[in-house]
Amino acid sequence: AQSVTQLGSHVSVSEGALVLLRCNYSSSVPPYLFWYVQYPNQGLQLLLKYTSAATLVKGINGFEAEFKKSETSFHLTKPSAHMSDAAEYFCAVRAPGGGNKLTFGTGTQLKVEL
Amino acid sequence: SQTIHQWPATLVQPVGSPLSLECTVEGTSNPNLYWYRQAAGRGLQLLFYSVGIGQISSEVPQNLSASRPQDRQFILSSKKLLLSDSGFYLCAWSVAGTANYGYTFGSGTRLTVV
Repeated sequence: AQSVTQLGSHVSVSEGALVLLRCNYSSSVPPYLFWYVQYPNQGLQLLLKYTSAATLVKGINGFEAEFKKSETSFHLTKPSAHMSDAAEYFCAVRAPGGGNKLTFGTGTQLKVEL
Repeated sequence: SQTIHQWPATLVQPVGSPLSLECTVEGTSNPNLYWYRQAAGRGLQLLFYSVGIGQISSEVPQNLSASRPQDRQFILSSKKLLLSDSGFYLCAWSVAGTANYGYTFGSGTRLTVV
């Protein structure tokens, strides 16, 4: 069975600083990995996904993530935080051929300060 | 293009009253459909998923039920609401049989049981 662990339920950065949100996965086969963003009282929006092509994946709003098999990680980064990035971020994993379900992490709340 | 509709956006219901939340998807056929709940500080909990009309899988035993009367319609119900049913309910869909697709989420329903 696959799972993801998001380290840090709350992350605070200054505007203009690097954003780094951590996600480690566990899967018996090379997984598909996803990052979602959720703004208050809204549904989740797909930021980016890794599906075994390029290991560095670029998404919307300037975010990117790198799949590192040796570290079983898929951390989300953005070079310069903006106030509008304040939201909750979820990492998710899905095993190829492993059924129909995404397994989500517990989420990381990102706060951006002036 | 595909769209997902979820309503109502907010709902306040007394304890012991019934519940019906509806979700519909447009622009695709035979989607996989999901109901999630977010309780404060508890991440995303998968409640039900469906791979076809009348096919419902329950992830957790609880006071809720789901039905899929039509290909692109997914309904979440309860006969008698409990205080613990309060939360943010999200419907989602994905392409059947393709694990490299993520989910597309609806905008959610905020349910408060009083």
